[in-house]
Amino acid sequence: DAGVIQSPRHEVTEMGQEVTLRCKPISGHNSLFWYRQTMMRGLELLIYFNNNVPIDDSGMPEDRFSAKMPNASFSTLKIQPSEPRDSAVYFCASSPRDRGRVRTGELFFGEGSRLTVL
Amino acid sequence: GDSVTQMEGPVTLSEEAFLTINCTYTATGYPSLFWYVQYPGEGLQLLLKATKADDKGSNKGFEATYRKETTSFHLEKGSVQVSDSAVYFCALSGIKAAGNKLTFGGGTRVLVKP
Repeated sequence: DAGVIQSPRHEVTEMGQEVTLRCKPISGHNSLFWYRQTMMRGLELLIYFNNNVPIDDSGMPEDRFSAKMPNASFSTLKIQPSEPRDSAVYFCASSPRDRGRVRTGELFFGEGSRLTVL
Repeated sequence: GDSVTQMEGPVTLSEEAFLTINCTYTATGYPSLFWYVQYPGEGLQLLLKATKADDKGSNKGFEATYRKETTSFHLEKGSVQVSDSAVYFCALSGIKAAGNKLTFGGGTRVLVKP
Protein backbone atom coordinates (compact mmCIF):
# COMPACT_ATOMS: atom_id res chain seq x y z
CA ASP A 1 0.00 0.00 0.00
CA ALA A 2 1.20 3.50 -0.71
CA GLY A 3 2.18 5.55 2.29
CA VAL A 4 1.66 9.25 2.82
CA ILE A 5 2.77 11.05 -0.31
CA GLN A 6 4.17 14.56 -0.18
CA SER A 7 5.24 16.89 -2.93
CA PRO A 8 7.51 18.52 -3.75
CA ARG A 9 10.35 16.74 -1.93
CA HIS A 10 12.55 19.79 -2.26
CA GLU A 11 11.72 23.39 -3.02
CA VAL A 12 14.00 26.38 -3.26
CA THR A 13 12.32 29.72 -3.66
CA GLU A 14 12.97 33.38 -3.13
CA MET A 15 11.61 35.49 -0.32
CA GLY A 16 8.15 36.82 -1.09
CA GLN A 17 7.12 33.96 -3.35
CA GLU A 18 4.12 31.75 -2.68
CA VAL A 19 4.83 28.17 -1.68
CA THR A 20 2.32 25.33 -1.84
CA LEU A 21 3.06 21.97 -0.28
CA ARG A 22 0.84 18.99 -1.03
CA CYS A 23 -0.08 15.85 0.81
CA LYS A 24 -2.00 12.71 -0.02
CA PRO A 25 -2.82 10.76 3.15
CA ILE A 26 -3.21 7.02 3.36
CA SER A 27 -6.58 5.92 2.05
CA GLY A 28 -9.07 5.37 4.87
CA HIS A 29 -7.25 7.48 7.42
CA ASN A 30 -9.44 10.18 8.92
CA SER A 31 -6.88 12.44 10.61
CA LEU A 32 -4.21 14.51 8.91
CA PHE A 33 -1.41 16.51 10.51
CA TRP A 34 1.06 19.09 9.27
CA TYR A 35 4.36 19.35 11.17
CA ARG A 36 7.39 21.57 10.71
CA GLN A 37 10.89 20.45 11.71
CA THR A 38 13.88 22.71 12.25
CA MET A 39 17.12 22.33 14.15
CA MET A 40 16.25 25.21 16.44
CA ARG A 41 12.63 24.40 17.28
CA GLY A 42 12.45 20.68 16.69
CA LEU A 43 9.14 19.18 15.58
CA GLU A 44 6.17 21.54 15.74
CA LEU A 45 2.55 20.71 15.04
CA LEU A 46 1.11 23.36 12.75
CA ILE A 47 -2.45 22.15 12.19
CA TYR A 48 -4.47 18.99 12.14
CA PHE A 49 -7.70 17.89 10.52
CA ASN A 50 -10.24 15.31 11.56
CA ASN A 51 -12.61 14.13 8.84
CA ASN A 52 -11.41 17.01 6.64
CA VAL A 53 -12.31 19.62 9.28
CA PRO A 54 -9.53 21.72 10.89
CA ILE A 55 -9.55 20.92 14.60
CA ASP A 56 -6.57 22.82 15.94
CA ASP A 57 -4.58 25.42 14.02
CA SER A 58 -2.98 27.05 17.04
CA GLY A 59 0.45 26.04 15.81
CA MET A 60 0.19 27.95 12.56
CA PRO A 61 2.85 30.66 12.91
CA GLU A 62 0.94 33.57 11.41
CA ASP A 63 -1.50 34.63 8.75
CA ARG A 64 1.02 33.91 6.03
CA PHE A 65 0.33 30.22 6.60
CA SER A 66 -2.88 28.53 5.55
CA ALA A 67 -3.95 24.90 5.18
CA LYS A 68 -6.86 23.25 3.44
CA MET A 69 -8.26 19.80 3.13
CA PRO A 70 -10.91 19.88 0.40
CA ASN A 71 -11.44 16.12 0.53
CA ALA A 72 -10.26 13.01 2.34
CA SER A 73 -7.43 12.35 -0.07
CA PHE A 74 -5.72 15.71 -0.40
CA SER A 75 -4.39 18.56 1.69
CA THR A 76 -2.30 21.65 1.00
CA LEU A 77 -0.16 23.91 3.16
CA LYS A 78 0.39 27.33 1.66
CA ILE A 79 2.85 30.04 2.66
CA GLN A 80 2.31 33.47 1.15
CA PRO A 81 4.55 35.40 1.17
CA SER A 82 7.41 33.14 2.14
CA GLU A 83 10.31 34.32 4.30
CA PRO A 84 13.79 32.86 4.98
CA ARG A 85 12.73 31.86 8.51
CA ASP A 86 10.16 29.51 6.97
CA SER A 87 13.00 27.29 5.75
CA ALA A 88 12.38 23.86 7.27
CA VAL A 89 11.26 20.34 6.53
CA TYR A 90 7.48 20.12 6.46
CA PHE A 91 5.95 16.76 7.25
CA CYS A 92 2.46 15.54 6.61
CA ALA A 93 1.15 12.60 8.63
CA SER A 94 -2.12 10.71 8.69
CA SER A 95 -3.66 8.35 11.18
CA PRO A 96 -6.55 5.92 11.21
CA ARG A 97 -9.68 6.25 13.26
CA ASP A 98 -9.28 5.48 16.96
CA ARG A 99 -10.51 2.06 17.99
CA GLY A 100 -12.90 2.87 20.78
CA ARG A 101 -11.15 4.46 23.76
CA VAL A 102 -7.76 3.05 22.89
CA ARG A 103 -5.58 5.60 21.20
CA THR A 104 -3.56 3.88 18.55
CA GLY A 105 -1.24 6.86 18.45
CA GLU A 106 0.24 5.66 15.22
CA LEU A 107 0.90 8.48 12.86
CA PHE A 108 2.16 7.60 9.41
CA PHE A 109 4.56 10.23 8.18
CA GLY A 110 5.46 11.19 4.67
CA GLU A 111 9.08 11.72 3.68
CA GLY A 112 8.77 15.46 4.06
CA SER A 113 9.14 18.54 1.89
CA ARG A 114 12.38 20.40 2.41
CA LEU A 115 11.78 24.11 1.86
CA THR A 116 14.56 26.64 1.43
CA VAL A 117 13.62 30.29 1.18
CA LEU A 118 16.46 32.51 0.01
CA GLY B 1 -0.81 21.46 29.22
CA ASP B 2 0.79 18.19 28.16
CA SER B 3 4.55 18.13 27.67
CA VAL B 4 7.39 15.69 27.03
CA THR B 5 11.00 16.17 28.06
CA GLN B 6 13.78 13.97 26.75
CA MET B 7 17.51 14.05 27.12
CA GLU B 8 19.38 16.18 24.69
CA GLY B 9 21.80 14.61 22.29
CA PRO B 10 23.77 13.81 20.49
CA VAL B 11 24.45 10.47 22.09
CA THR B 12 27.50 8.77 20.61
CA LEU B 13 28.03 5.07 21.25
CA SER B 14 30.13 2.19 20.02
CA GLU B 15 28.48 -0.80 18.39
CA GLU B 16 27.12 -3.34 20.91
CA ALA B 17 26.95 -0.72 23.68
CA PHE B 18 23.90 -0.28 25.90
CA LEU B 19 21.60 2.61 25.01
CA THR B 20 19.28 4.52 27.32
CA ILE B 21 17.32 7.62 26.35
CA ASN B 22 15.43 9.25 29.19
CA CYS B 23 11.92 10.57 28.72
CA THR B 24 9.60 12.14 31.26
CA TYR B 25 6.18 13.60 30.71
CA THR B 26 3.56 15.88 32.20
CA ALA B 27 -0.06 15.10 31.47
CA THR B 28 -3.45 14.73 33.07
CA GLY B 29 -4.56 11.22 33.90
CA TYR B 30 -3.14 8.28 31.99
CA PRO B 31 -1.91 9.24 28.54
CA SER B 32 -0.66 6.77 25.96
CA LEU B 33 3.10 6.90 25.41
CA PHE B 34 5.14 6.34 22.27
CA TRP B 35 8.63 6.27 20.86
CA TYR B 36 9.14 7.29 17.26
CA VAL B 37 12.34 6.96 15.24
CA GLN B 38 13.52 9.09 12.34
CA TYR B 39 16.23 7.68 10.10
CA PRO B 40 18.28 10.10 8.00
CA GLY B 41 16.26 11.64 5.20
CA GLU B 42 13.02 9.98 6.23
CA GLY B 43 9.85 10.79 8.13
CA LEU B 44 9.14 9.55 11.62
CA GLN B 45 7.89 6.04 12.19
CA LEU B 46 6.41 4.40 15.26
CA LEU B 47 8.94 2.29 17.15
CA LEU B 48 6.90 1.15 20.16
CA LYS B 49 4.08 2.20 22.43
CA ALA B 50 2.42 1.60 25.81
CA THR B 51 -1.15 2.53 26.59
CA LYS B 52 -1.39 1.97 30.36
CA ALA B 53 0.76 2.02 33.46
CA ASP B 54 3.35 -0.78 33.80
CA ASP B 55 2.93 -1.78 30.16
CA LYS B 56 6.18 -2.55 28.36
CA GLY B 57 6.46 -1.71 24.69
CA SER B 58 9.08 -3.50 22.62
CA ASN B 59 10.23 -3.67 19.03
CA LYS B 60 13.50 -4.31 17.16
CA GLY B 61 15.32 -4.97 20.44
CA PHE B 62 14.16 -1.69 21.97
CA GLU B 63 12.07 -1.60 25.13
CA ALA B 64 10.33 1.05 27.23
CA THR B 65 8.18 0.66 30.34
CA TYR B 66 5.36 3.04 31.24
CA ARG B 67 6.11 4.21 34.79
CA LYS B 68 3.26 6.20 36.21
CA GLU B 69 4.93 6.80 39.58
CA THR B 70 7.90 8.53 37.96
CA THR B 71 6.02 9.77 34.87
CA SER B 72 8.71 8.25 32.71
CA PHE B 73 9.04 6.14 29.57
CA HIS B 74 12.77 5.57 29.09
CA LEU B 75 13.94 3.82 25.93
CA GLU B 76 16.56 1.08 26.19
CA LYS B 77 18.43 -1.29 23.93
CA GLY B 78 20.95 -3.78 25.14
CA SER B 79 23.27 -3.87 22.13
CA VAL B 80 23.06 -1.16 19.50
CA GLN B 81 24.06 -1.47 15.87
CA VAL B 82 25.28 1.12 13.40
CA SER B 83 21.85 0.90 11.75
CA ASP B 84 20.27 2.26 14.96
CA SER B 85 21.79 5.67 14.24
CA ALA B 86 18.77 7.95 14.06
CA VAL B 87 16.80 10.59 15.95
CA TYR B 88 14.43 9.21 18.59
CA PHE B 89 11.31 11.06 19.71
CA CYS B 90 9.27 10.39 22.82
CA ALA B 91 5.60 11.35 22.52
CA LEU B 92 2.30 11.17 24.33
CA SER B 93 -1.36 11.24 23.44
CA GLY B 94 -3.24 12.98 26.20
CA ILE B 95 -6.66 11.91 27.36
CA LYS B 96 -8.12 15.23 26.27
CA ALA B 97 -6.46 15.19 22.88
CA ALA B 98 -8.79 14.74 19.97
CA GLY B 99 -8.03 11.99 17.52
CA ASN B 100 -4.39 10.95 17.49
CA LYS B 101 -2.88 14.33 18.26
CA LEU B 102 0.56 13.70 19.75
CA THR B 103 2.82 15.88 21.86
CA PHE B 104 6.47 15.20 20.94
CA GLY B 105 9.66 15.71 22.86
CA GLY B 106 12.57 17.53 21.28
CA GLY B 107 14.22 14.40 19.91
CA THR B 108 17.54 12.75 20.76
CA ARG B 109 20.08 12.11 18.05
CA VAL B 110 21.93 8.81 18.44
CA LEU B 111 25.12 8.02 16.54
CA VAL B 112 26.49 4.49 16.69
CA LYS B 113 30.07 4.06 15.54
CA PRO B 114 31.52 0.77 14.31
